[in-house]
Amino acid sequence: ETGVTQTPRHLVMGMTNKKSLKCEQHLGHNAMYWYKQSAKKPLELMFVYNFKEQTENNSVPSRFSPECPNSSHLFLHLHTLQPEDSALYLCASSQTPGGDGYTFGSGTRLTVV
Amino acid sequence: GQNIDQPTEMTATEGAIVQINCTYQTSGFNGLFWYQQHAGEAPTFLSYNVLDGLEEKGRFSSFLSRSKGYSYLLLKELQMKDSASYLCAVKVTNAGKSTFGDGTTLTVKP
Repeated sequence: ETGVTQTPRHLVMGMTNKKSLKCEQHLGHNAMYWYKQSAKKPLELMFVYNFKEQTENNSVPSRFSPECPNSSHLFLHLHTLQPEDSALYLCASSQTPGGDGYTFGSGTRLTVV
Repeated sequence: GQNIDQPTEMTATEGAIVQINCTYQTSGFNGLFWYQQHAGEAPTFLSYNVLDGLEEKGRFSSFLSRSKGYSYLLLKELQMKDSASYLCAVKVTNAGKSTFGDGTTLTVKP
């Protein structure tokens, strides 16, 4: 356990479905992040939240919708995804915005069929 | 744009020393991270360099030269469990934007 918990661990969804990924951190950190990791590609930043406010949207398509109700919880709402969105979605947190090191969750392995 | 280069794969022998290099060209620089990622697991933090020089932490050391846009991760007394992917990442802004390299897959052989 890293202190950052992601659920579910695995998710298979159809292109017309709506689902949500959940991330919770128990570290008292103030910044949270969503990253996407596809096969043969580097980790790709999606969103950054600092003190519950979104400070970075890395040109992510609107079919991905983040939500940060408080500093400990982060969601990623998914709708009308494409097969190429299949990837490992990692949540991370850091003590300070920008951070001097992220703590990652174990990720959600998403498959879009 | 952001560009971070690392070797794709490296192989080394148990007990040996290996150096994994990383060069970067980024729009901003506020520090450089190294992470370790075992297959099927999340990345774990190894080191963070902001100033030039060598930072040592047990069997792992990390070096940074900002003027050359260059870093390396040095692993000593290699163990089989060190077989993993090693990710170099640059903190581009202090607001949370970091860019990752493709990672170097290290295989440690007996």
